[in-house]
Amino acid sequence: NAGVTQTPKFRILKIGQSMTLQCTQDMNHNYMYWYRQDPGMGLKLIYYSVGAGITDKGEVPNGYNVSRSTTEDFPLRLELAAPSQTSVYFCASTGAAGSYEQYFGPGTRLTVT
Amino acid sequence: QKEVEQNSGPLSVPEGAIASLNCTYSDRGSQSFFWYRQYSGKSPELIMSIYSNGDKEDGRFTAQLNKASQYVSLLIRDSQPSDSATYLCAVSNAGNNRKLIWGLGTSLAVNP
Repeated sequence: NAGVTQTPKFRILKIGQSMTLQCTQDMNHNYMYWYRQDPGMGLKLIYYSVGAGITDKGEVPNGYNVSRSTTEDFPLRLELAAPSQTSVYFCASTGAAGSYEQYFGPGTRLTVT
Repeated sequence: QKEVEQNSGPLSVPEGAIASLNCTYSDRGSQSFFWYRQYSGKSPELIMSIYSNGDKEDGRFTAQLNKASQYVSLLIRDSQPSDSATYLCAVSNAGNNRKLIWGLGTSLAVNP
């Protein structure tokens, strides 16, 4: 049981490039979340999903897109990368009945230059 | 605006002492409360959950909840240098797709 996995671990993008951050969980969780965390700052919710085919915006969705075609996968797409998107990105999931406990992946450290 | 507030620290305690971390929240409808530990450069790790008023103990960790005062705390007994990390308080956003409201975290340094 690997839990929540994320790839890549690190990435450097040039301004204007695009990329997809991958997130997979093997716990059969319905709820999945994408956060970003800037240095010394708290977790900001980007997008979340309550099940396959259902996604919704969080606090800071601009510049990002998501899809959820399966229960396991919740990729985050960055279009036209900007320096403001330099951050650490965490994927999390929860799904036990009635539970709010979120379990996090190891994160992707993204630098846009 | 629903909020969770924590002292940013750093909180510095000697090895073997009790570390006390505090958190207040604004949403009276919140029912679930969590403490996460985050080491530098790592992801948040769930260490305690608490759902009802009172104390909950797990090893060296005790979570305390007072819903009337909208206050959650985490006590770490016999603090070790390996406890040095940022501790995040998270509170359920009542009825809202299981989202959590996050505090900014308290940095704890345990000095040998």
